[in-house]
Amino acid sequence: GQQVMQIPQYQHVQEGEDFTTYCNSSTTLSNIQWYKQRPGGHPVFLIQLVKSGEVKKQKRLTFQFGEAKKNSSLHITATQTTDVGTYFCAGLEQTGANNLFFGTGTRLTVIP
Amino acid sequence: DAGITQSPRYKITETGRQVTLMCHQTWSHSYMFWYRQDLGHGLRLIYYSAAADITDKGEVPDGYVVSRSKTENFPLTLESATRSQTSVYFCASMPGYYNEQFFGPGTRLTVL
Repeated sequence: GQQVMQIPQYQHVQEGEDFTTYCNSSTTLSNIQWYKQRPGGHPVFLIQLVKSGEVKKQKRLTFQFGEAKKNSSLHITATQTTDVGTYFCAGLEQTGANNLFFGTGTRLTVIP
Repeated sequence: DAGITQSPRYKITETGRQVTLMCHQTWSHSYMFWYRQDLGHGLRLIYYSAAADITDKGEVPDGYVVSRSKTENFPLTLESATRSQTSVYFCASMPGYYNEQFFGPGTRLTVL
């Protein structure tokens, strides 16, 4: 069945350092979405990538979708304390199913 | 403008009891989802619905029942609660295919 693996599971960084989380799917995806969940909160949508090799930026955040549409990454430049939270990727299979498969998430801690 | 709400926010119950978690959205989104979130597992899909009276199983449906008689409501019932169903439950809605999911605030359920 569909599996979406995410690494690392945890990451502690000093404020100002960069951070990257990686997402790998066992099957080809139609699209991939990224969500952020603050401690004690609910997941909030960040972005969606659809095209092979697509790169999108949101201020300090850069999102990439792999050429084979089986992996993705989120890179944060110069982390801030407001970046603290868990980042999830979620992929939609190309089979046409309506449900997203979420990765296990990367919990980011930023040390001031 | 409530968006998507869940009730109760916290629930403690005993093994064997029936529990219903409520989810209500005010946007008339077609799709609705139920997830459970456990440490180390990320978000796992329990059931989803593409429209009123249409529901389908997700990754972990055993022990759960859903219904969707109205577009705006998607209740989740645990027919006979077990300790392994202790978790945080998130409801989400989505306006259409390939769209972002909007999550409710979550229900923290403890089964003693």
